[in-house]
Parts: sequence; C-alpha cells; structure tokens
Amino acid sequence: NAGVMQNPRHLVRRRGQEARLRCSPMKGHSHVYWYRQLPEEGLKFMVYLQKENIIDESGMPKERFSAEFPKEGPSILRIQQVVRGDSAAYFCASSASDTREAFFGQGTRLTVV
Amino acid sequence: KQEVTQIPAALSVPEGENLVLNCSFTDSAIYNLQWFRQDPGKGLTSLLLIQSSQREQTSGRLNASLDKSSGRSTLYIAASQPGDSATYLCAVRGSAAGNKLTFGGGTRVLVKP
Repeated sequence: NAGVMQNPRHLVRRRGQEARLRCSPMKGHSHVYWYRQLPEEGLKFMVYLQKENIIDESGMPKERFSAEFPKEGPSILRIQQVVRGDSAAYFCASSASDTREAFFGQGTRLTVV
Repeated sequence: KQEVTQIPAALSVPEGENLVLNCSFTDSAIYNLQWFRQDPGKGLTSLLLIQSSQREQTSGRLNASLDKSSGRSTLYIAASQPGDSATYLCAVRGSAAGNKLTFGGGTRVLVKP
C-alpha cells in the first residue's frame, strides 16, 4: 500500500505563471488535507476535501488559490499568477475518516522566481 | 478556536539522555493527538497516535502521554541518539477545528554525539 504521493517534488515557476500540485491519497482514504509550510515556520492548514466536496477552506487565500478532489484522480491544489510569497513547501495528508490517523506526503517545494 | 503550543522551541542534549517534549492545546474536545517527526527538507512521519480515550501510547523508545482534561501531551524519547535529531510536531484533531489537524510550532531537537 503506497503512501501519500505528491508530485512534483520540486516545482519552479516564474511570477505570474500557474502552479498545479497533485496529491494521491493512500488507498482507501477519501479525506485529503492541504497544508503550507513557509521557511522556518510551522504548518498552516489550507483546505480539507472529501471526494468531490470542499469541507473546510478556511485557510485558503481568497484569491488565486483553489483546490479540488474529483471522483477519479488525485487532489489538485492550483495557484494562479504565482508571486514570490507563494514560495513554500506544500504538504498533503490523507485519512480514512475525519477522526482517524493522518498520513503525509513528502511535499511539493514551490519556488517562484 | 484550537491553539497548539510546543515548548521548548529548540532542545539540545548529549547522546544517551532522555528527551521530554511538551505539547499543550486549548480545547480539550479532541478526537486524537498525533506526534510527527520532520527531517530538514522532508515530509512528516507519523510517530504515535493517541486516541482521546487513551492515556498513553508506546512505540519502541517513544512514549507519549495524554492528559485531555488539562490539555497536555508529552513525548518521551528514551536514550536519545544522533539519529533522533529532527523537528517534532504535535497535532490535535477535534471538533473545535472542524476535525482538521491543528499543529503546534514544533520542537527542534539536536542530539550531540
């Protein structure tokens, strides 16, 4: 049973481009969470999704950021018109339910140049 | 709103000494608490999960206790080794935060040979 898979591991984008980060949860997990970690800072919650539904997006910036978790395929975190301040590590976690153990992927490190 | 605090922020000990890492949370209505380890530039590895009904959980040299009523958890690492050097994060899952994981800021541990 593969763990949570995130790709790409590293992503470089120029200012103004779009970044698409993908997360495949563990098999049998239908709950996905996205977190952002800025350099030398803690993990900040962004969004919580179940299949085809956004449960909690209270941590998402109001503009440029969106997330989806379609019925088929991975969860996608999309950042439009990236700026230097978006440079961070983005982590995805999955769990079997909203009260079970969560497992994290290795993260995608986004660098905006 | 759930808030999680980890003290100290950094800890340096000689090899062989026992480590004691503290985590406190403001809302005691939690489902569970997880301890994670993060190595520099890497993802999060789940170390221990304590359900709200449990008082402690053990795995090898690691032991975690939970006192839900006082909002505290402690992670003990016995006979520390240089390979234990990492950042340790605690996270709580509870209804106050919409069942998502809320993280503390972490304790950065250095075990000196």
